[in-house]
This record gives sequence, C-alpha cells and structure tokens, in this order.
Amino acid sequence: AQSVAQPEDQVNVAEGNPLTVKCTYSVSGNPYLFWYVQYPNRGLQFLLKYITGDNLVKGSYGFEAEFNKSQTSFHLKKPSALVSDSALYFCAVRVPGAGSYQLTFGKGTKLSVIP
Amino acid sequence: DAGVIQSPRHEVTEMGQEVTLRCKPISGHDYLFWYRQTMMRGLELLIYFNNNVPIDDSGMPEDRFSAKMPNASFSTLKIQPSEPRDSAVYFCASSRNRANQPQHFGDGTRLSIL
Repeated sequence: AQSVAQPEDQVNVAEGNPLTVKCTYSVSGNPYLFWYVQYPNRGLQFLLKYITGDNLVKGSYGFEAEFNKSQTSFHLKKPSALVSDSALYFCAVRVPGAGSYQLTFGKGTKLSVIP
Repeated sequence: DAGVIQSPRHEVTEMGQEVTLRCKPISGHDYLFWYRQTMMRGLELLIYFNNNVPIDDSGMPEDRFSAKMPNASFSTLKIQPSEPRDSAVYFCASSRNRANQPQHFGDGTRLSIL
C-alpha cells in the first residue's frame, strides 16, 4: 500500500523568507509525485509534479520541489514567500503500473506567510 | 479550456432529503473522481470512473451514496436520505488517461445537512 506523510500541520514563515513544506512517501516501486495548493473556498490546484529525470522540478507561482529517492521525500520550496502563498498544501503519490489512476494524498499542511 | 464545473456551489437541506451533486469534467478527460473533504477526515476518495464505468467505489461510505456517469461530460453523486454527518465539501476531479497526468479539481459543492 502507498502512503504520504506531511509531518507538519502548519508552517509559519515571514514574508520574504524561504519556505519549505515537507512530504515523505512510502510506495513499492517508483512513484509519481504531485503537489497541489488549495485556497479558501476553492478546489485543489495542481502546482508541480515529479515523474522522472531531474530531481529538482519547477512549477507554478515560483514553487519548486526536490525529489530525494534515498530519503523518500518530495519537499516543496520557494525562495521568497509571499503573503498570497498562504493556503493549504497537499502532497500526493501515484505508482504507475499499479492498475490504479487514483492519487493518495497527504493530510495537508497549512502555510501562513506573515507580513 | 473550461475547467471542471460543479453545481451547485452551496447546498443547504434538511435531514432525510435527497441531494444531487453534479459535475462536468474537462473535455477529453477519461477519468472522473469524486472526493469528500472534512476537517476531521481530510480528503477522501469516494469513487472514480474510467470511460464512464465505475472502477472503484470502495470509498463510498454507505448505500445511501450513489454515483453515475451517463456520458463522458456529466456525472452525479446522490445522497438519499441525507444525514447531518454528510455535511462536507464534495469535489469532482478529472484527468487524462495517463498515469503521469495530474487530476484537475472543480471548486466543490459545500453541503450542509440540517
């Protein structure tokens, strides 16, 4: 069975500082990994994905994530946080070839960027 | 292109009433997913379809819940009879028939059962 852990329920960061939202996963096989963001009263919006290749992937709104196979992690990062980045962030995993197209989501991390 | 469209955005009804939630997926997407989000349980997958056929409904909580996809551009999630514990935000998502493609979510239906 596959699982995703987001160890922090909430992350607080000052505007202009770098931010990191953590994600670790457990799967059998090579994973496809995704990050989503959810703003209040909105659906989840796709930010970026890791499929294969370069371990550092870049996505929307200046976000990037680093895939680390040895640590089974896929942390989301941004060099300089904006107040508008405050939202709920979800990490998700899928194992290709497992016969299922469903995603397994983490429980989410609430990011608060303080002016 | 239009995104996933859900209706209604908000629904308030009394316990025991039938509730029908609607979803129009993105054109060309072969997969459709129904999720439920609550503070207590987070995001739960209820059921998903491939080419209009239900593939996995193991997340449907009870027989009171049913979902259909009569064609490639429309799906419904029905609760009958509704109960207060069904109050949640229900999301529909769709994706292409590729494992490396993301799911695209609608903005959800906020359901309140009084």
